[in-house]
Order: sequence, then C-alpha cells, then structure tokens
Amino acid sequence: NAGVTQTPKFRILKIGQSMTLQCTQDMNHNYMYWYRQDPGMGLKLIYYSVGAGITDKGEVPNGYNVSRSTTEDFPLRLELAAPSQTSVYFCASSNTGQPNTEAFFGQGTRLTVV
Amino acid sequence: AQSVTQLGSHVSVSEGALVLLRCNYSSSVPPYLFWYVQYPNQGLQLLLKYTSAATLVKGINGFEAEFKKSETSFHLTKPSAHMSDAAEYFCAVSAIQGAQKLVFGQGTRLTINP
Repeated sequence: NAGVTQTPKFRILKIGQSMTLQCTQDMNHNYMYWYRQDPGMGLKLIYYSVGAGITDKGEVPNGYNVSRSTTEDFPLRLELAAPSQTSVYFCASSNTGQPNTEAFFGQGTRLTVV
Repeated sequence: AQSVTQLGSHVSVSEGALVLLRCNYSSSVPPYLFWYVQYPNQGLQLLLKYTSAATLVKGINGFEAEFKKSETSFHLTKPSAHMSDAAEYFCAVSAIQGAQKLVFGQGTRLTINP
C-alpha cells in the first residue's frame, strides 16, 4: 500500500523562486495536513484540509498556499522562497477529524533555500 | 491551548537496557496523547496513543506509555532496548475537534550502544 506519497524527496531552491510540494494519498482520507520540521524542533502545522475544496490555516501559514481540488491530492505552494523556509516538510492524512485519530505521514520533502 | 515538552533531546542507552523517554503535556481540556517514531529517512509512524480507555497503553515493538494526569506526563518506556529502536521519537497532543491537529514536542533522538 502506498499510503501518503510526497514528491520530491529533496530540493534546493534559490531565494525568490517558487515551487510546489506534491502530496497524494490513496486511503480516501478526507483530512490532510502539512507540517514543517525544523532542526531540534517538533513539527508545526502549516495548513490543513477537511475535504476537497476546504482548507484552513495552521500555526505557521505565512509564505505558503494550498489547494484541495480532489480528495487524493493536497499540494503545498511556496511562492517566494526564503531561507527561513529551509525545513523538512511532511504531509499527513487522517480518516476523521476526531482528536484520537491516527495520522499517517509521508516520508517528507527536505527543502533547502539558498 | 496545548503544548508538549520532551525532556532530553538526545538519549543514549545500551542494548538490553531500559528505555525511558519523557513527555509532559499541557492542555486545558482532556488530552489525547500520542507517541510517534521516525526512523532515518522515513516519515512518522504511530507507536501508541492514549485515548482515556486505559492509563497504561501498549504499543508496537514492545513500547508502552503511562498516562499520569496528576503529573501531566506520558512517558514512553521499553524494558529492553534493541539496536533497531534507534530513531527519533515524538510526543504529541491533540484535543480539538474538527481536525486532527497535532501539537508536537521537539523530539528525542534515541541512540542504542552495542
């Protein structure tokens, strides 16, 4: 089973460039999430979606945009890359929005902005 | 608001020794608590979760955790460490309905010495 798949796994961007981090899941989960993980820090929620066409901000949304046109896909867009966005990005999904639900994570995208 | 503190960013134990990873939480409502494990170059995987059914929770790979409300703690233990346990471990809390928005601790890197 594929689960949650993220592409690319690694990327180097120059300051001011833009890119889209792809995330797709094959579990038919309505809920999807983007987190970033900085060195020595826990994961922080960037954006989340409760279903196709519905997205909302998390704790650290500045500098990012998302869309959710299908249940399967939840891409994260960086419009003007900045060094502060150097991080590891994780996409996750869950079957429900209940707080006791397990979240399933992708393998992550390591992004460096230079 | 919820928060999680993991004591010790790096823990090192000998193979066969007890593993103890500490997690304290803060939550204004009854929390749901999770331990996730991240093996090198992989995404996060659920180890176990506390959902109020029982204070002692058993997870995969021989790990368990005990919820202590009076101490606001959810420490992770394993009686005998194995080399394959080397990974980063994250404690997380979730309490808000509507989406599985996890708040993570900063993580503890576990090293196993032969």
